[in-house]
Amino acid sequence: DVKVTQSSRYLVKRTGEKVFLECVQDMDHENMFWYRQDPGLGLRLIYFSYDVKMKEKGDIPEGYSVSREKKERFSLILESASTNQTSMYLCASSLSGLIYEQYFGPGTRLTVT
Amino acid sequence: AQSVTQLGSHVSVSEGALVLLRCNYSSSVPPYLFWYVQYPNQGLQLLLKYTTGATLVKGINGFEAEFKKSETSFHLTKPSAHMSDAAEYFCAVRTAGNNRKLIWGLGTSLAVNP
Repeated sequence: DVKVTQSSRYLVKRTGEKVFLECVQDMDHENMFWYRQDPGLGLRLIYFSYDVKMKEKGDIPEGYSVSREKKERFSLILESASTNQTSMYLCASSLSGLIYEQYFGPGTRLTVT
Repeated sequence: AQSVTQLGSHVSVSEGALVLLRCNYSSSVPPYLFWYVQYPNQGLQLLLKYTTGATLVKGINGFEAEFKKSETSFHLTKPSAHMSDAAEYFCAVRTAGNNRKLIWGLGTSLAVNP
């Protein structure tokens, strides 16, 4: 089975802190994604990566950056956390090819105070 | 452009009753369609998917969905709801091009009453 792990289930940070969210997948998937999930807004794509060192902006990239130095690891960085970035963050991965099926990690619930 | 509409942000059924969660899509390419389930405080798990072939797709936990091209729909059903089915359900469609992204509906929260 594909396993996608996220470094923390719950995280509390202060406004202005630099925050790192880590995601690791163990199935050699080419594609990795970061979403945020908020009530009533569904899943919104922040960034995705289709190869090592490659990244593309999603729908809401402002205030975020990403890093993919190794194929299995995709990091989301909040350069200066703000309260409006309090949310559930979900990482996903998928194979290249036509099927597009994504596998998700358990999520990180981030609270910025 | 691709889009997904899930009708009803909240659906409530009685235990043992039929579950019907609605999903309509628009797509400029042959659609690949997905239903995911999210239990409280967990990530999303694939329930079922349609890519090509048989239009009635069976998934895990007794769920199934039927792809109806003429109606641009992919509704999720289960004949008899169980308490453990209470969760958030998301419908998704692939995007055109080779960027491997999915377009997501806003989700439907299913409550199952005893």
